[in-house]
Amino acid sequence: GESVGLHLPTLSVQEGDNSIINCAYSNSASDYFIWYKQESGKGPQFIIDIRSNMDKRQGQRVTVLLNKTVKHLSLQIAATQPGDSAVYFCAEKRSGNTGKLIFGQGTTLQVKP
Amino acid sequence: NAGVTQTPKFRVLKTGQSMTLLCAQDMNHEYMYWYRQDPGMGLRLIHYSVGEGTTAKGEVPDGYNVSRLKKQNFLLGLESAAPSQTSVYFCASSRDPPKNIQYFGAGTRLSVL
Repeated sequence: GESVGLHLPTLSVQEGDNSIINCAYSNSASDYFIWYKQESGKGPQFIIDIRSNMDKRQGQRVTVLLNKTVKHLSLQIAATQPGDSAVYFCAEKRSGNTGKLIFGQGTTLQVKP
Repeated sequence: NAGVTQTPKFRVLKTGQSMTLLCAQDMNHEYMYWYRQDPGMGLRLIHYSVGEGTTAKGEVPDGYNVSRLKKQNFLLGLESAAPSQTSVYFCASSRDPPKNIQYFGAGTRLSVL
């Protein structure tokens, strides 16, 4: 079936290193892809999004890359900090007016001091 | 600037009891959503609304009902709670598509004994 998934359930990085979190999707009809961060005990928080007609979008310390050929999405976090420790979800929005998002399972990012 | 507010934050129910979860948003968003989050399952859509007075089923609607009598509020009801409904419930809201970035509340942790 169609799904949005993440390649690794847990990613452990050293403080100051760059982090790359990956996501695979299967539906070519999605028009937006969104990354969320969820800290323990909190709701998901919007990080960055990318439209399907773009390849790359940069924010503050974060970059999202979209490869439509292989249906792959990644989130890069520069100079990872302890405050970046959280679960990261990718989500795809299907074209249309319902606004529904399909979420992946999530990757836990652990930052070692 | 409250954003999306969920009440209550925690609740313990006995099997067969009923309850209503309240979601309120102050961003004048048209779209609102209820999700449940279980370990290893990611976020699953229960019901959603594309405007005041409208509701629609999501991925896992059985055992739940919703109402959107006012634009700013979205209520989730459990008529006869079951242990399988033990979960963390999140409400979200968004503007109209196409972009549809959803903003989440802090969640309600529900245990059904």
